[in-house]
Amino acid sequence: QKEVEQNSGPLSVPEGAIASLNCTYSDRGSQSFFWYRQYSGKSPELIMFIYSNGDKEDGRFTAQLNKASQYVSLLIRDSQPSDSATYLCAGLSRGSGNTGKLIFGQGTTLQVKP
Amino acid sequence: SQTIHQWPATLVQPVGSPLSLECTVEGTSNPNLYWYRQAAGRGLQLLFYSVGIGQISSEVPQNLSASRPQDRQFILSSKKLLLSDSGFYLCAWSLLGTGDQPQHFGDGTRLSIL
Repeated sequence: QKEVEQNSGPLSVPEGAIASLNCTYSDRGSQSFFWYRQYSGKSPELIMFIYSNGDKEDGRFTAQLNKASQYVSLLIRDSQPSDSATYLCAGLSRGSGNTGKLIFGQGTTLQVKP
Repeated sequence: SQTIHQWPATLVQPVGSPLSLECTVEGTSNPNLYWYRQAAGRGLQLLFYSVGIGQISSEVPQNLSASRPQDRQFILSSKKLLLSDSGFYLCAWSLLGTGDQPQHFGDGTRLSIL
């Protein structure tokens, strides 16, 4: 069973701090990873994707991928109360063929306190 | 640009009644299409996906069905709803790519069964 694991949280950080969200995966064939943000009662929205080892930065967000350790993370710098949401990690397996099927983690709830 | 429309936003149905949820995508051709369900406080459960007109793959056995009568139209149906069918239903689309194609979600339908 291919899985993506996330700590459900909540992860609580003070405003202005760095929030670190982590995700591990079991399928070594996973080739791409996606981070989604989901506000309460809303649908998930894409924040970033990463498919190469290393770091990828976009504004206050940095995604990190370590394929050897099967580990993905999302760093949010200068966290704001508006960042409070559930963050979903998803992986795309090379074995998914043309389906584009993603395997989602259960999500980590982030609380940024003013 | 591509957009996805999903309706209705909210639905309250009695047990045993039929269901039809519709999703359409604009601005692209031959997208992959997906139906997810999210129970309260839980992760995303993939119900169905489709890589082309008339092609439907089911992920979990249940009393729901899906159809894709047109390239950019995806319909989720049930002949008789159960209490356990309550949840947040999300439609998503993606493009066939080289492994870096994310899924994009509609606004969702919140279904309550009475």
